[in-house]
Amino acid sequence: DQQVKQNSPSLSVQEGRISILNCDYTNSMFDYFLWYKKYPAEGPTFLISISSIKDKNEDGRFTVFLNKSAKHLSLHIVPSQPGDSAVYFCAAKLGVGNQFYFGTGTSLTVIP
Amino acid sequence: KAGVTQTPRYLIKTRGQQVTLSCSPISGHRSVSWYQQTPGQGLQFLFEYFSETQRNKGNFPGRFSGRQFSNSRSEMNVSTLELGDSALYLCASSVPGLAGRDTQYFGPGTRLTVL
Repeated sequence: DQQVKQNSPSLSVQEGRISILNCDYTNSMFDYFLWYKKYPAEGPTFLISISSIKDKNEDGRFTVFLNKSAKHLSLHIVPSQPGDSAVYFCAAKLGVGNQFYFGTGTSLTVIP
Repeated sequence: KAGVTQTPRYLIKTRGQQVTLSCSPISGHRSVSWYQQTPGQGLQFLFEYFSETQRNKGNFPGRFSGRQFSNSRSEMNVSTLELGDSALYLCASSVPGLAGRDTQYFGPGTRLTVL
């Protein structure tokens, strides 16, 4: 049972425009959310996170929004750059320790 | 600081065999987690070890097991391999963050192919 879902397997955006990646979850007990970026032949790299007590967190060009009532998470990248082309995973944490639930990923292509 | 290392990077086995994968965390990291990545399924959590104890376990059969040594290095074992075990196995280590908000650092993974 997939508790974290990324319904868009791929996304293409022009360089300089905004990229919006979406993630939905089903478990209201998740208390911490993260986004990871993954290049081929490499492990995922942490990008940005947000606690369930917040609804927005910014880090440079990356902003994560959390809508708890809708159980929805989104990552905004502004402006998008060709180097942002990668697979993006959202993840959610439950309880003590590091048990993370990951989405299936969205492949972002930024077109120069 | 060296990153998370995983060995071997690639492995080919046949059904019924067993396999052991190794993970060396970043120096100072005491938590090591294992994930299985397959196409269409994303990353599925296998288990987490902290200070040589299994702290969390995902929903995988008992054929999947792991352990952690006193130097925080971890091994994962899969017995009686099945074709469906073909996947990328990722290891992640973390250092405790504020209020338990650990940031995980992933290794490059071990690509296991079962024939």
